[in-house]
Amino acid sequence: DTGVSQNPRHKITKRGQNVTFRCDPISEHNRLYWYRQTLGQGPEFLTYFQNEAQLEKSRLLSDRFSAERPKGSFSTLEIQRTEQGDSAMYLCASSRGSGEASTQYFGPGTRLTVL
Amino acid sequence: QKEVEQNSGPLSVPEGAIASLNCTYSDRGSQSFFWYRQYSGKSPELIMFIYSNGDKEDGRFTAQLNKASQYVSLLIRDSQPSDSATYLCAVGRSNYQLIWGAGTKLIIKP
Repeated sequence: DTGVSQNPRHKITKRGQNVTFRCDPISEHNRLYWYRQTLGQGPEFLTYFQNEAQLEKSRLLSDRFSAERPKGSFSTLEIQRTEQGDSAMYLCASSRGSGEASTQYFGPGTRLTVL
Repeated sequence: QKEVEQNSGPLSVPEGAIASLNCTYSDRGSQSFFWYRQYSGKSPELIMFIYSNGDKEDGRFTAQLNKASQYVSLLIRDSQPSDSATYLCAVGRSNYQLIWGAGTKLIIKP
């Protein structure tokens, strides 16, 4: 059972460019989550998928952010027209289901730096 | 008031002693409670979860939950320098979303 994987691990981009991150969850997990984390803070919820359906998106999330999970397996998170305030660690997590199966397991994260 | 509160620390504990980490939450309807450890520059890794009032032990770690008082704690016995990290408390508010504390930085002094 391989863990959650994320690519790339690091991304440096210039302000105004678009970036896309990929997350591959644990194979039998049908739930996938995206978070953003900045220094000294806990993970901030961005969005959540159950299979291919995006069921929840943070109200704080700008329209520049979009996520997909087209076949209910891997997911992508795209940020358009990046801003310096987007610099953060982007974390992906997956879980099997609800209740005791709701435990989330994290990937290594993608660190984004916007210059 | 934040939904999940933790003392940011740092909490300094001598090697071999018991480290005690606390977390309070505001939503009485919360059903699941998780402790994660996060090393600097790394992603959170699960230590343990607890759903029922009382204590849950796993090796050197014990989670304690008191729903009436709305707090959950993590005890680390025989603390080791490798336990030095930030400990994140997460509370399950629905069947999928976790609300996170900002974490407590723990330093174990050799």
